[in-house]
Amino acid sequence: QTVVTQEPSLTVSPGGTVTLTCASNTGAVTSGYYPNWFQQKPGQAPRALIYSTSNKHSWTPARFSGSLLGGKAALTLSGVQPEDEAEYYCLLYYGGAYVFGTGTKVTVL
Amino acid sequence: EVQLVESGGGLVQPGRSLRLSCAASGFTFDDYAMHWVRQAPGKGLEWVSGISWNSGNTGYADSVKGRFTISRDNAKNFLYLQMNSLRAEDTALYYCARDLGYSYGQGWDYWGQGTLVTVSS
Repeated sequence: QTVVTQEPSLTVSPGGTVTLTCASNTGAVTSGYYPNWFQQKPGQAPRALIYSTSNKHSWTPARFSGSLLGGKAALTLSGVQPEDEAEYYCLLYYGGAYVFGTGTKVTVL
Repeated sequence: EVQLVESGGGLVQPGRSLRLSCAASGFTFDDYAMHWVRQAPGKGLEWVSGISWNSGNTGYADSVKGRFTISRDNAKNFLYLQMNSLRAEDTALYYCARDLGYSYGQGWDYWGQGTLVTVSS
């Protein structure tokens, strides 16, 4: 069974920087997994932030960036704002099927 | 404006069937692959199924394979999910989401607001 693991929770101060990671139990995450990142706030549908590792949607704030880091997909939030407090999910493509990560709850404190 | 509106959810007994619909508007529907994703109460996101622009390619999570069937009607701009042999663990909010391209790959962009399915006797 394919499992995609994220940090359960992270805390960051306003204006600070935090990096979330996304690991696969099948091995290193590469660009071929087309990592996507989504933000979900309570009671809302998920919102797409990043696709194909590092590409931003037209609505994605500049402070969000995606990359590959040490065999994992990564989402970095720089200059964190209070409204960035949310659950973040990565999504990996396994050649015909997708698996979401376990999710990271980001608290801005 | 891209809009995805799910419907068809409700309370259903274990073992019964339900068909979800997703009405698409604001874009050329048959230019995009589409997906269903679900979220059980208080839990994370789970990809359920996807379908390419012309229905030539479909995929399913192992948890629903053989019970759920995804389809689309490009003439009517609708995506469907036929759910058979429903189980309590299928209880979730079901979202439809748009892929970035004709078939799977790069990523997704727009999501609907979801329709709630509750499986209980």
